[in-house]
Amino acid sequence: SQTIHQWPATLVQPVGSPLSLECTVEGTSNPNLYWYRQAAGRGLQLLFYSVGIGQISSEVPQNLSASRPQDRQFILSSKKLLLSDSGFYLCAYDAQGNYNSPLHFGNGTRLTVT
Amino acid sequence: AQTVTQSQPEMSVQEAETVTLSCTYDTSESDYYLFWYKQPPSRQMILVIRQEAYKQQNATENRFSVNFQKAAKSFSLKISDSQLGDAAMYFCAYRVQGGSEKLVFGKGTKLTVNP
Repeated sequence: SQTIHQWPATLVQPVGSPLSLECTVEGTSNPNLYWYRQAAGRGLQLLFYSVGIGQISSEVPQNLSASRPQDRQFILSSKKLLLSDSGFYLCAYDAQGNYNSPLHFGNGTRLTVT
Repeated sequence: AQTVTQSQPEMSVQEAETVTLSCTYDTSESDYYLFWYKQPPSRQMILVIRQEAYKQQNATENRFSVNFQKAAKSFSLKISDSQLGDAAMYFCAYRVQGGSEKLVFGKGTKLTVNP
């Protein structure tokens, strides 16, 4: 069966510190991978998506970056966190080329930048 | 640009009653897919229901059904016999067939279920 793992679940980091959030998918090959951010009480903002290893598309200019070193691994990073980076981060995947395929989400990471 | 609009930031319903959440979208495409997601307080995103634009029949999943009006570009979600566990944020989403594969989400509707 297909599963998605995202960690850590909760993270508190000081301003200016680095960030690394990791997401892995099991049970499927060559998925599309996505990073979303959700501010408190608000909708989903697409940050990055990837259709293959090393292929990253950025939706919003910011101090965050993403990488896909392996087919089913997606990493969200920052060299120096800002207060405005606080939020709830969700990783998701779906089947490439199947437009009827729903997004499957991880459990999310609650990031607080202090 | 493709947009999805959920005009009701918040809704409330009495337990066992029926509620309808609205969603409209803007597209010039004819082939696309529509989804409703639920996000309970746990913040886990859960697929509720999906609809293919080429299908005229409205999708149904147990107590959840949609009213898909393609000409009006409307995709509302009806929840029948509302339960306390239905309390959540509900997001409408849209994807074009043959497009960039990204889902476009609305801003969500917060549903409260009153006992």
